[in-house]
Amino acid sequence: AQSVAQPEDQVNVAEGNPLTVKCTYSVSGNPYLFWYVQYPNRGLQFLLKYITGDNLVKGSYGFEAEFNKSQTSFHLKKPSALVSDSALYFCAVRSRNSGNTPLVFGKGTRLSVIA
Amino acid sequence: DVKVTQSSRYLVKRTGEKVFLECVQDMDHENMFWYRQDPGLGLRLIYFSYDVKMKEKGDIPEGYSVSREKKERFSLILESASTNQTSMYLCASQTGGYFQETQYFGPGTRLLVL
Repeated sequence: AQSVAQPEDQVNVAEGNPLTVKCTYSVSGNPYLFWYVQYPNRGLQFLLKYITGDNLVKGSYGFEAEFNKSQTSFHLKKPSALVSDSALYFCAVRSRNSGNTPLVFGKGTRLSVIA
Repeated sequence: DVKVTQSSRYLVKRTGEKVFLECVQDMDHENMFWYRQDPGLGLRLIYFSYDVKMKEKGDIPEGYSVSREKKERFSLILESASTNQTSMYLCASQTGGYFQETQYFGPGTRLLVL
């Protein structure tokens, strides 16, 4: 079975400070990993994904994430947070060898960047 | 750019009513999905479809059905709405055959069942 955990419901960070939103996963075999962001009253927007290759993935709006196979993690990071980064962030995973099964999403982490 | 549109942003319905939520995508995607989003529960998959007239149950299909008569349109049907179906409903589409590809989401429909 595939699963993903976002251990923090809420992350608070001061503007200009680095931010990290945590994600750990469980799949059989190798994963495809995604981060999505949801701004208030909007649908989800794609941020970045890990498919293969370089463990450090760069995405939209200055975000990046590092795939760590030994720790089964895919934490989202940004060197300097902006107030406009305040949103709900979702991590998602699927196994590369799970046939037609869809993505499994985490429960989301609400990021609040304080000016 | 991919565009996924949902027929309503907000809906208010009565218990027992039949409710139709429509989703249309303009990128000729094979795969389409319906999720519901609830605080503390994240996104939960209701149904998905890999092709016209095909459907697969997701994690929480009870109380819902779907229809995909045309490739670009995927409808979610609440046969007899209940208050526990009050939620945000999100539709998504994705290129078929390549499951590393990105899902594109619509803006969501916030449904209130009274």
